[in-house]
Amino acid sequence: DTEVTQTPKHLVMGMTNKKSLKCEQHMGHRAMYWYKQKAKKPPELMFVYSYEKLSINESVPSRFSPECPNSSLLNLHLHALQPEDSALYLCASSQSGQQETQYFGPGTRLLVL
Amino acid sequence: AQSVTQPDIHITVSEGASLELRCNYSYGATPYLFWYVQSPGQGLQLLLKYFSGDTLVQGIKGFEAEFKRSQSSFNLRKPSVHWSDAAEYFCAVASVGFQKLVFGTGTRLLVSP
Repeated sequence: DTEVTQTPKHLVMGMTNKKSLKCEQHMGHRAMYWYKQKAKKPPELMFVYSYEKLSINESVPSRFSPECPNSSLLNLHLHALQPEDSALYLCASSQSGQQETQYFGPGTRLLVL
Repeated sequence: AQSVTQPDIHITVSEGASLELRCNYSYGATPYLFWYVQSPGQGLQLLLKYFSGDTLVQGIKGFEAEFKRSQSSFNLRKPSVHWSDAAEYFCAVASVGFQKLVFGTGTRLLVSP
């Protein structure tokens, strides 16, 4: 089973709201990733967690706050977002984060009003 | 830094015809190469990958790709396209020792009846 699940599928939020995106995998993978994908663009890496520790932060604004409570779960906390943050947020996982295949979830489509 | 170029933004192919999507990469060492497919509003599905060994790689859904080091290319091919193949196709490269996956800009495949 190579399934990565993400909730919610869709999210609409105001610029003053606080919300969270959730990603889960049960493949025993120890690396998890957040990507942001704008319309008609490729995914762009935001964060990488390896063995539950943040290993890469691609200079993402602090209004995005990742959290990895355990090896199966990855959250992205959102606060005071801007309309330009509207995008598809994709989660991925891989075995240990060293050039293996990344498996992607279906994404959460976020609209910031 | 590594990069990926997909020179074709759109390609239209008749159903049943053959397909070739182009991908060129820039990387000093041996790259790890991937092809992903994304249907509208969905996550990314891995079609195939090249790490080492045989330069002709077979993937899912009848796709194959050939790694050509001399041309820095990793083109995706399918002998007979089906209407369900209409989607966005992304080529990606991962660098040795790093967890970052860098995507090309994507090629949108349209399949005509």
